[in-house]
Amino acid sequence: QSVLTQPPSVSAAPGQKVSISCSGRSSNIGNNGVAWYQQLPGTAPKLLIYDNDKRPSGIPDRFSGSKSGTSATLGITGLQTGDEADYYCGTWDISLNPGFAVFGGGTQLTVL
Amino acid sequence: QVQLVQSGAEVKKPGASVKVSCKTSGFTFSNYGVSWVRQAPGQGLEWVGWVSGYNGATNYAQKFQDRLTMTADTSTTTFYMELRSLTSDDTAVYYCAKDRSASVREDWGQGTLVTVSS
Repeated sequence: QSVLTQPPSVSAAPGQKVSISCSGRSSNIGNNGVAWYQQLPGTAPKLLIYDNDKRPSGIPDRFSGSKSGTSATLGITGLQTGDEADYYCGTWDISLNPGFAVFGGGTQLTVL
Repeated sequence: QVQLVQSGAEVKKPGASVKVSCKTSGFTFSNYGVSWVRQAPGQGLEWVGWVSGYNGATNYAQKFQDRLTMTADTSTTTFYMELRSLTSDDTAVYYCAKDRSASVREDWGQGTLVTVSS
């Protein structure tokens, strides 16, 4: 049971747009920035978005992030078959002292 | 460029210990900490703990507190994670990841598969 809640799967056609939600609580998303990671099959996770809406160097602007209250959303436009992967949200939780890192359960994206 | 290169796959028997290394380069070791994150087969990501490259301070996930040790060797710019009293539930790929902040795992190692089987 993951601390952050994501839909298990989403799908869309090539060229379309998809959104992936991540729901938490005040002790995590409500008080800290959210990061998003892409994990292609058989590879290590890769940072896509950090601090809710910032993209690391080299990440195309087809990927975007937003946060409102205790929820966050990853958006992907112009879907490509190469975007098929698992996507995870993550943040820091302060419900204990010291705090701890938490992740969502992951969302599998299928590009039909 | 930033690199985190982990040690190879391990097979351990229940009750044994495993020590995984994470050799780093491309950044100032003492300015960052590293998180260890594991992923059981077909499952999601689970944070195991964090170790500082500055002073070796640690922060472990509660469920691992009594059987986990993380260390940092500044002379070789290498981080280590040792997990003891292994059970089959510890079978997973273990990743080290350089932290940008408490909330952000910025760069990741390639992962180390630890298999616990009798």
